Amino acid sequence: NAGVTQTPKFRILKIGQSMTLQCTQDMNHNYMYWYRQDPGMGLKLIYYSVGAGITDKGEVPNGYNVSRSTTEDFPLRLELAAPSQTSVYFCASSRDRDTEAFFGQGTRLTVV
Amino acid sequence: GNSVTQMEGPVTLSEEAFLTINCTYTATGYPSLFWYVQYPGEGLQLLLKATKADDKGSNKGFEATYRKETTSFHLEKGSVQVSDSAVYFCALSEPEGGAQKLVFGQGTRLTINP
Repeated sequence: NAGVTQTPKFRILKIGQSMTLQCTQDMNHNYMYWYRQDPGMGLKLIYYSVGAGITDKGEVPNGYNVSRSTTEDFPLRLELAAPSQTSVYFCASSRDRDTEAFFGQGTRLTVV
Repeated sequence: GNSVTQMEGPVTLSEEAFLTINCTYTATGYPSLFWYVQYPGEGLQLLLKATKADDKGSNKGFEATYRKETTSFHLEKGSVQVSDSAVYFCALSEPEGGAQKLVFGQGTRLTINP
């Protein structure tokens, strides 16, 4: 059972570089989410999607973009990396609005 | 907005000790409450949940009761094991557009020594 898979697990970026964090789920879930976790803080919602072709901003969307061309994939794009984006990023999915969210293992990103 | 506050860690206990991790929340309405656990090298997993006042969630020997009067959802276990070492997150759900987002506490790192 793969569940929610995130790649890469770790990455170091230089200021101004761009990258895409990959997230894929094999549970045919409609809802997908991106959260970030800063040291000593809880997770904050960046973007979410309620189905293929539909995305919306969460609490902290600035500096990020997402797309949802398929049910399985929900990549998160950083266009111009900044030190403030140093964080651990978690992707999650749920079958529908009120059911359990399943999380990936996280991507630890450092911007220097 | 809604928020969740957990007791600060890290928490270190001996095997078979009693565990309490405090969690209080601020919310409008009556959100569902959750405890998630993150074992080393893994993603967050749902440990237990409660959807209304006085509900008790339980799983793997852990329990938490939804207390509306004290706005709390403390996590307890009577006898912890080394395998319980992990980071524990308290969370509540709130509407976000067409979805439900989770609002998390900062997490509590638990270490159990043999």
